Amino acid sequence: DAKTTQPPSMDCAEGRAANLPCNHSTISGNEYVYWYRQIHSQGPQYIIHGLKNNETNEMASLIITEDRKSSTLILPHATLRDTAVYYCIVRVVGNTPLVFGKGTRLSVIA
Amino acid sequence: NAGVTQTPKFQVLKTGQSMTLQCAQDMNHEYMSWYRQDPGMGLRLIHYSVGAGITDQGEVPNGYNVSRSTTEDFPLRLLSAAPSQTSVYFCASSYLGTGKHEQYFGPGTRLTVT
Repeated sequence: DAKTTQPPSMDCAEGRAANLPCNHSTISGNEYVYWYRQIHSQGPQYIIHGLKNNETNEMASLIITEDRKSSTLILPHATLRDTAVYYCIVRVVGNTPLVFGKGTRLSVIA
Repeated sequence: NAGVTQTPKFQVLKTGQSMTLQCAQDMNHEYMSWYRQDPGMGLRLIHYSVGAGITDQGEVPNGYNVSRSTTEDFPLRLLSAAPSQTSVYFCASSYLGTGKHEQYFGPGTRLTVT
């Protein structure tokens, strides 16, 4: 079973920030939080990952709470092309497989 | 780099037929895996490999075989196709050294079993 809980769907206005929450209350000390997204029926695409510090890259920001039991993926200026299913995954870095849950379907609305 | 390539893109099989889904990567990644995705569902892991000659089962391995004779290729064999295996199949690969261990996914093979 997936170790994360995400809302099934969210809407966001184009140009606004999209904040996608993820609960991972049973996360272990050596597990990272990864975010992937799947646009339409394409293969999933890596977005960002982190252990305990907040992370930012060209696509998004990842905010992890101090107790590491939850996190938020932030798309700072959502566009229509960000409409996708977003998956939050916790895993130990290395040869452990990615285990996908059902994710959050984000709809960006013009 | 071509990244992760999968062939064929589409396939229709009759019940009981066998076939092999091809997956190749040109990034010298040690880790490769196969997932299936049913309509409206998340991805489920079928098999994975951490290097040539090493494979292991995932969540839903029944009805599928894999082998890893080279670093580049990781074919998935359907032994006797069943309608329940109608799905989209994704192959992925990643590096196992230090770093973010980002997994790269192929474009998928859409399989219909009638």
